[in-house]
Order: sequence, then C-alpha cells, then structure tokens
Amino acid sequence: DGGITQSPKYLFRKEGQNVTLSCEQNLNHDAMYWYRQDPGQGLRLIYYSQIVNDFQKGDIAEGYSVSREKKESFPLTVTSAQKNPTAFYLCASSSGTSRTRTEAFFGQGTRLTVV
Amino acid sequence: DQQVKQNSPSLSVQEGRISILNCDYTNSMFDYFLWYKKYPAEGPTFLISISSIKDKNEDGRFTVFLNKSAKHLSLHIVPSQPGDSAVYFCAASVYAISNFGNEKLTFGTGTRLTIIP
Repeated sequence: DGGITQSPKYLFRKEGQNVTLSCEQNLNHDAMYWYRQDPGQGLRLIYYSQIVNDFQKGDIAEGYSVSREKKESFPLTVTSAQKNPTAFYLCASSSGTSRTRTEAFFGQGTRLTVV
Repeated sequence: DQQVKQNSPSLSVQEGRISILNCDYTNSMFDYFLWYKKYPAEGPTFLISISSIKDKNEDGRFTVFLNKSAKHLSLHIVPSQPGDSAVYFCAASVYAISNFGNEKLTFGTGTRLTIIP
C-alpha cells in the first residue's frame, strides 16, 4: 500500500527537550511538507521540500528544523526554541509537474504534547 | 493576514439536503483551489479541486464553484449523508514555475459540518 506514515501518533515531551517527528512516504513524490494545526485554526506551513537536499521555510518555521537526505523521508525536529509546541503535526507529499497541478496527500498526523 | 477565510465555523444540515460550504480569499494570485475533509485526529483527505480557468468542477455528490470576480468559492454536497460530518478545509495555491506544480497550500480555518439524521 502506498502512503505517508507518520510516527508516533502521540508524543509527549518535557519542556526544554528537542523531539523529532518522523514522516516517510512510498509514493515516489518529490515534494514534502510539514503543517501544524491548532484548535480553531487552519493548517499552517512549517517547512517544505521540493527535492532531496533542499528545503524552504514556511510561514511558521521558527523553532523547527528539517532535513531531506532521502526522497522518502522528511523528519521534523521541534526544538526547545519553539514557544508553543503543543499541536497536531501533519506531513504531506505531492507529485505535480509543470503542466499538471495536483493535490497534496497527508499522513495521519502526530499529536505532540509538552508536559 | 488570513488570505483564505472560512467565515462559518460550523454548519448543520439535514440528511438528504444540500450542504453549502463557503470560502473567500484575498490573494488574486491564487490560481488553484482545493477542498479537503478531515476527521478528528486524522490527516485531511482530498475531495475536489478547481483551476482558476474554470468556474465549476463536479465529482459525484461534490461540486465546487469558483467566482473569481468575488474571490469566492463554494463546495456543494448533494445529497448530504451522515458520513459527510467532518471539518472541511478550503485551500489555495499560487503557481510558480520553480515549484514544478508542487505549490505550497494556504488553508482556511475550516468549517465543521454536521449532518443531522
């Protein structure tokens, strides 16, 4: 089955600790994205990557870091610098071309709670 | 600055009737629009999209209408079914040749649709 796998589904972190959220896709998609969802708000873009070894900041990148060493993987690290890390984190991927627009496919999400 | 707005946080519709979800945008550069459906604690799933060169796109019970002059789009669900109860997000993107069709999406805040049996 092709899809996007995020792990773990639930994650607890102590204040001041860094934590890494995993995102793996076997859809052979070039582009991958990280979004954050807070109650009453839409999804906000944290980071995105169009190709391996390249990524760009989204609208709320402060306190986060990413890497894209492999096409299939796009891990997100929530650092201690992120002031409000408790949220629902969603990873997505897409495979558009210059001629064809396409939708983004989402994983099931990781709920991060800072305790 | 909220570029994509869904002004109705919630909507209740009787089963079998039409559900109409609305979305407004401010960025005139948006040229591709999508609707996603989301259940609690799950990732959004794609429903339907529309390019700015069209004013209507239909897929089964779902139809999206785009009014570019008003910067407004709507999703119609006919007939509404209990399984349609979820949060619906409107999203939009701007084409950039350097992104090879993989543009980042800007989302609205969502509308919670409840279908009453």
